[in-house]
Formats: sequence, C-alpha cells, structure tokens
Amino acid sequence: DTGVSQDPRHKITKRGQNVTFRCDPISEHNRLYWYRQTLGQGPEFLTYFQNEAQLEKSRLLSDRFSAERPKGSFSTLEIQRTEQGDSAMYLCASSRQGLAFTDTQYFGPGTRLTVL
Amino acid sequence: DAKTTQPNSMESNEEEPVHLPCNHSTISGTDYIHWYRQLPSQGPEYVIHGLTSNVNNRMASLAIAEDRKSSTLILHRATLRDAAVYYCILRDRGGNTGKLIFGQGTTLQVKP
Repeated sequence: DTGVSQDPRHKITKRGQNVTFRCDPISEHNRLYWYRQTLGQGPEFLTYFQNEAQLEKSRLLSDRFSAERPKGSFSTLEIQRTEQGDSAMYLCASSRQGLAFTDTQYFGPGTRLTVL
Repeated sequence: DAKTTQPNSMESNEEEPVHLPCNHSTISGTDYIHWYRQLPSQGPEYVIHGLTSNVNNRMASLAIAEDRKSSTLILHRATLRDAAVYYCILRDRGGNTGKLIFGQGTTLQVKP
C-alpha cells in the first residue's frame, strides 16, 4: 500500500492555459474524490467517482473543469482556460467500497496550482 | 448537510492532554461524527469516527455527548507532531457518495 499519489505536486501556469492533474488512488479503492482547498479554508468537494462512473459534481465544478477516471483506476482533472481564481491546492482522496458513512478517505499530498 | 462549529485555534503544551470541542446542534440521527486532521503541507488524514458511543483508537479518543449535539476529540498526550488543523465532520449515513464537508477546523498549536 503506497498511498494516494498525485502528479505534479506543483504547477505554475499563465492565465488562459489548460492544465491537467493526475491522481493514482490506492489499488482496489473503487471510490475516488477530488477536493479543492484555498489558503486558510478547509477542502471543498469537487467531484466523486465510483469505479469509472462520475456520480456527483459540485456546483463549484464549472464547465471549464472536467474529470475522468477511465477503467476505474487513475483519475485526471483538467482545467481549461485557467483563471487566477483557480489558484488552489487540488486534493485527491480514495476509499474502499463500503458503507458510505464509515469508509475512511485516504488523501494524496495534493497539487498546488498557481495561475499568474 | 448538517453544520459543525469549532474554535478557530487552541494551544497546548507538549505531553499534556488536549480536548478539542465540536458543536453540532443540528445533527440528525443518521449522522456519523468524523474527525480528520491536516498537518502542514499535507493532505487531510483520518483520525476517528463515532455515532453514539465513545470511541478509542491508537491516535485519539472521541467523547460524544448523550444528546449528540456536541463531541470532543481527546489527544491523550500531545506531541509536536500533533500540531495541525483538526476538522469535525458530520457524514450522513443515508448519503450515497460519502463526500466530506469540511468547515474551517481548529488550528492546534503545541508548545514544547
């Protein structure tokens, strides 16, 4: 069990550019979550996958954001036409299928995005 | 989603017990109480969870009030490594995604 990994750890981009982040969950974890965290705030839920199906998207996820989880393994989060307000830490978490109220989510180290 | 209220910050001395309070007066009968913490420059990590009874694990203890409107996370002997932001979260057992709704949490400082 190597934990949840995220790549890259840091990304600096210019406004208007597209960026893509990758998350590799713990193997055999079929649930995968993306969260966003801005400075001084707690993480905010963005989207949820169960296997390859995207079952919930937050209102925070504008049409510039898209997430995929092909084959139910790794996941990617793409932001198109980045804006300065997108600057944040993007966190990925995974958990094992079970009762939703008791499963433990394991978080990755996050990808810090800075939009200039 | 039911809300929680926590103090913004607390201080503790190393090797002393720490009691981190959380109010959740609108908790429903189906809400589990979860605690996560976030160390500096890391993602959050699970600490403990409970429904009605007090719970203990190797990291901490969770004391839940009889009416469930409040709970307390107890670190029995704080270490410098326990300095983190602690989040109290209610998770609806009827929900089908298990997403976590974080508040601002309590920033715990541990003094040597």
